Amino acid sequence: EPEVTQTPSHQVTQMGQEVILRCVPISNHLYFYWYRQILGQKVEFLVSFYNNEISEKSEIFDDQFSVERPDGSNFTLKIRSTKLEDSAMYFCASSVRLGEGNQPQHFGDGTRLSIL
Amino acid sequence: AQKVTQAQTEISVVEKEDVTLDCVYETRDTTYYLFWYKQPPSGELVFLIRRNSFDEQNEISGRYSWNFQKSTSSFNFTITASQVVDSAVYFCALSEADSNYQLIWGAGTKLIIKP
Repeated sequence: EPEVTQTPSHQVTQMGQEVILRCVPISNHLYFYWYRQILGQKVEFLVSFYNNEISEKSEIFDDQFSVERPDGSNFTLKIRSTKLEDSAMYFCASSVRLGEGNQPQHFGDGTRLSIL
Repeated sequence: AQKVTQAQTEISVVEKEDVTLDCVYETRDTTYYLFWYKQPPSGELVFLIRRNSFDEQNEISGRYSWNFQKSTSSFNFTITASQVVDSAVYFCALSEADSNYQLIWGAGTKLIIKP
């Protein structure tokens, strides 16, 4: 069964450094998402992406964050200048269609980001 | 206000007991979807079920069953004959047209199954 893959599984970065988290969505999917889960807390929506542009973003997704689909397969999340509070598990997800047809969002296994 | 409420922070039962995880949601949309995900200690999110707002039929999948009641805005999840491998955090989530179908998550219920 096709999967969403995320790399790296664990990223350790110094505060203030830029970090790029990578995701390869399922190949025929058109909608892409990033979610964040701070340790021990609930999962929070960051951003959704469709047709090469952001379709929705949360308050968390400020100017320090950006997303990109640089080629036909990758979907990246960049944090420009990391802060300690960015430490979390970041999940990428993709879906075929938006809502209609009961499509679940398929999740990657996550990237654990640790900011020192 | 919480859109998805999982009031049970942690539940601990002995293996083979039945256990029900509660989920209450809030939406003004007439079209919405409800989900349950399992997050084992390894951290990944495992999709369990989705339900759309027009289908109130309960569903059973092996030892898992779900009870969707629009009248009480609840979507409860029952595990019968629980097993140690069921130990995980379980999240209920809501997806609605008004929010562009992003997933809105509950706080999760940590389920501990003791041998």
